[in-house]
Amino acid sequence: EVQLVESGGGLVQPGGSLRLSCTASGFTFSSHWMHWVRQAPGKGLVWVSRVNGDGSDTTYADSVKGRFTISRDNAKNTLYLQMNSLRAEDTAVYYCARAVYDKGVHVVDYWGQGTLVTVSS
Amino acid sequence: QTVVTQEPSFSVSPGGTVTLTCGLSSGSVSTSYYPSWYQQTPGQAPRTLIYNTNTRSSGVPDRFSGTILGNKAALTITGAQADDECDYYCVLYMGSGTWVFGGGTKVTVL
Repeated sequence: EVQLVESGGGLVQPGGSLRLSCTASGFTFSSHWMHWVRQAPGKGLVWVSRVNGDGSDTTYADSVKGRFTISRDNAKNTLYLQMNSLRAEDTAVYYCARAVYDKGVHVVDYWGQGTLVTVSS
Repeated sequence: QTVVTQEPSFSVSPGGTVTLTCGLSSGSVSTSYYPSWYQQTPGQAPRTLIYNTNTRSSGVPDRFSGTILGNKAALTITGAQADDECDYYCVLYMGSGTWVFGGGTKVTVL
């Protein structure tokens, strides 16, 4: 059974940093690209970032580019999101999601339960 | 910046059929945007329903189907049930490894 468990969320002050983790099990982690998606309270889903299987290729939404870094440790079956220079508008539940390769693109098929990040003084 | 558009809300009768759409503020949605659809109950993680326009995710019943209708991606729910009442999101691939979600559609079954 595919499982994705996020951790590392919490309360942080504006300008601070936080690192989220997502521990994967039930599948060959290194074979799958991974995404981070966030959802502010009462709002819709927003794509944040994705990384390829070996961690060599990453992309970001404009809203987080230069502040967030996605990475992975395939030996530990763990995905990370390093978040720096946090702003109030980064407050959200952060979901990690597994991608499956289908017809030329890596699309999300499984989601974790999410971890809440609150940026406030 | 391109915006992905969805109807804010939709109502459907139990047993009825509803079609949700996913468009672009500028241009047409085609299969090249690899549209996907997700279902989310409040307080829960999203669940993948459809990816790559019309591929049903594992365990998703066949009353959920995806297609391109005109210049938009579409998700059709046939035989609506009470537990279909939740939020539905589409996402489009914008190229260069980036994706954009629509604002979501709240479906009410009544």
